Amino acid sequence: SQQGEEDPQALSIQEGENATMNCSYKTSINNLQWYRQNSGRGLVHLILIRSNEREKHSGRLRVTLDTSKKSSSLLITASRAADTASYFCATGSSGGYQKVTFGTGTKLQVIP
Amino acid sequence: DAGVIQSPRHEVTEMGQEVTLRCKPISGHDYLFWYRQTMMRGLELLIYFNNNVPIDDSGMPEDRFSAKMPNASFSTLKIQPSEPRDSAVYFCASKLGGTQPQHFGDGTRLSIL
Repeated sequence: SQQGEEDPQALSIQEGENATMNCSYKTSINNLQWYRQNSGRGLVHLILIRSNEREKHSGRLRVTLDTSKKSSSLLITASRAADTASYFCATGSSGGYQKVTFGTGTKLQVIP
Repeated sequence: DAGVIQSPRHEVTEMGQEVTLRCKPISGHDYLFWYRQTMMRGLELLIYFNNNVPIDDSGMPEDRFSAKMPNASFSTLKIQPSEPRDSAVYFCASKLGGTQPQHFGDGTRLSIL
């Protein structure tokens, strides 16, 4: 069963706008990761945030983590058509970084 | 370096046939994962290996599924006999230990008629 639930399930925006995706999870974690999946391809890792971190940046990506609310958000700034993909959060439980549980995903469409 | 390589990319077969999916992980990676992705159930972990040894196979749906890793550069996932409900995209991923991310192959799209 999925640990993470992404919200919204689908998001359509214009190029240049910001896109925000949210992930809620149920049990304690030691890390949360975000992955991107282009149509017909495998998942690609974007960013990892540890449970003792609150915010992390990588290029146009900003991830926040609120362990008290068991939620995370992924913000993509100045979106591009190439950002069109599905985005998944993945949670790693206490005890290790090896096994993660993927959420349901947000399908992002960026319109040129 | 080459990424994770899966074969075949597409497989169409009839119910009852044996299906073998193959994966070559990234050289030097000591963890290997098999996932199944469907619209209904999302991305599910089936099994993962560390240094060729199965660590957690709790996600393997039933005895019809088996996975092996005979050496560090090759793994197989077998379904015997196959059923229409096994139709899905099967992904293999590998990683180094610690906080390193998983690297996914492009998957095998399996259709059981």
